[in-house]
Amino acid sequence: QQQVKQSPQSLIVQKGGISIINCAYENTAFDYFPWYQQFPGKGPALLIAIRPDVSEKKEGRFTISFNKSAKQFSLHIMDSQPGDSATYFCAASPNSGGSNYKLTFGKGTLLTVNP
Amino acid sequence: NAGVTQTPKFQVLKTGQSMTLQCAQDMNHEYMSWYRQDPGMGLRLIHYSVGAGITDQGEVPNGYNVSRSTTEDFPLRLLSAAPSHTSVYFCASSRQGLGTTEAFFGQGTRLTVV
Repeated sequence: QQQVKQSPQSLIVQKGGISIINCAYENTAFDYFPWYQQFPGKGPALLIAIRPDVSEKKEGRFTISFNKSAKQFSLHIMDSQPGDSATYFCAASPNSGGSNYKLTFGKGTLLTVNP
Repeated sequence: NAGVTQTPKFQVLKTGQSMTLQCAQDMNHEYMSWYRQDPGMGLRLIHYSVGAGITDQGEVPNGYNVSRSTTEDFPLRLLSAAPSHTSVYFCASSRQGLGTTEAFFGQGTRLTVV
């Protein structure tokens, strides 16, 4: 049972364009939704995260949109740059009691930003 | 500040061999976890620990065991290697607490079982 579904698998965007990656979850106990960025040969690194008490969170060019009723959340990268080329993972965890160590990940999206 | 350190970075094992993947963190984090990353599968939780002496199974624990004798170290032991254990393994740590606390990942160990 895949608890966090991520799409698309791969995405090619031109420099300056908008990259959009979508995720959907099933477990209503999830209440912490981070996005991780991974470059080849490196471990994932936290990019941005959101709790369900807000519908949007923005940090620089990166924005998470969250729809609790639809159980969906998405990452928007504005003004995409070649340096943003990486694999992006959405994740979710039941944060109640601090259990953010039990992350459930989507399968990842390989983003390529062409110059 | 080293963060999360994993050793070795690469390892080749023969079927049936055992080995221990090492993970150490210097951030005094209570929580530590092991994930495996396979192509098209994302990262899947193997085992986790909420503090020294406390461990539990994640999504894919078969064939692995863990121990947590200190806050800093969380080794993952592969009991009898099989080709299905070929993967990239990541250790992560995070501090206890509510809110959007970050999980810090190591650089990974690429394991090949032949």
